[in-house]
Amino acid sequence: QVQLVESGGGVVQPGRSLRLSCAASGFTFSSHGMHWVRQAPGKGLEWVVLIWYDGTKKYYADSVKGRFTISRDNSKSMLYLQMNSLRAEDTAVYFCARDAASGWPRPDYWGRGTLVTVSS
Amino acid sequence: QSVLTQPPSASGTPGQSVTISCSGSSSFIGSYTVNWYQHLPGAAPKLLIYSNNQRPSGVPDRFSGSKSGTSASLAISGLQSEDEGDYYCAAWDDSLRKVVFGGGTKLTVL
Repeated sequence: QVQLVESGGGVVQPGRSLRLSCAASGFTFSSHGMHWVRQAPGKGLEWVVLIWYDGTKKYYADSVKGRFTISRDNSKSMLYLQMNSLRAEDTAVYFCARDAASGWPRPDYWGRGTLVTVSS
Repeated sequence: QSVLTQPPSASGTPGQSVTISCSGSSSFIGSYTVNWYQHLPGAAPKLLIYSNNQRPSGVPDRFSGSKSGTSASLAISGLQSEDEGDYYCAAWDDSLRKVVFGGGTKLTVL
């Protein structure tokens, strides 16, 4: 079955960097785009970024553009999110999610998330 | 402020039916298909409905989706206590190249 396991979250000071990872299994990773979606404490879901199955296209939310970078290693079935210049408002649970790979982009399977806390 | 608007809360008693709405502009909802997600406490979000009214394999037929004009809806029949959680509508905005989520609806089973 599809499994997505995020890691790399933690407490980080404002302005610093953090890299999240997502280990995928149970499906052909190289055939699916991948998303990161986050949820700030007490708030709703906020889409962050989408990377195409082959890594050739990446689409970012305005709130993270220029600070976050998504990447993937299809040989290892791994997805990454490099987060730079972190701000307090980036504090959230970060979920990785598989794209359905048919029709308009949409996350279908999700991980349980990893918590990122930006605080001094 | 999301382009997709949901009521912040909904409620029902076990066995009842409840409907959650998701409204947007005609240029948005009219152009794209709507998906619905269930996010139960402590769990990974789950895709409930895609392409307005399609259920993924394994999703009970108690859950159904529809779209008309500038609004989409998620209907849950035979409400169960385990349905209590947050529900989100979402759609891909191809002009802005991003996924848009509604603000979410907290469903309480009384």
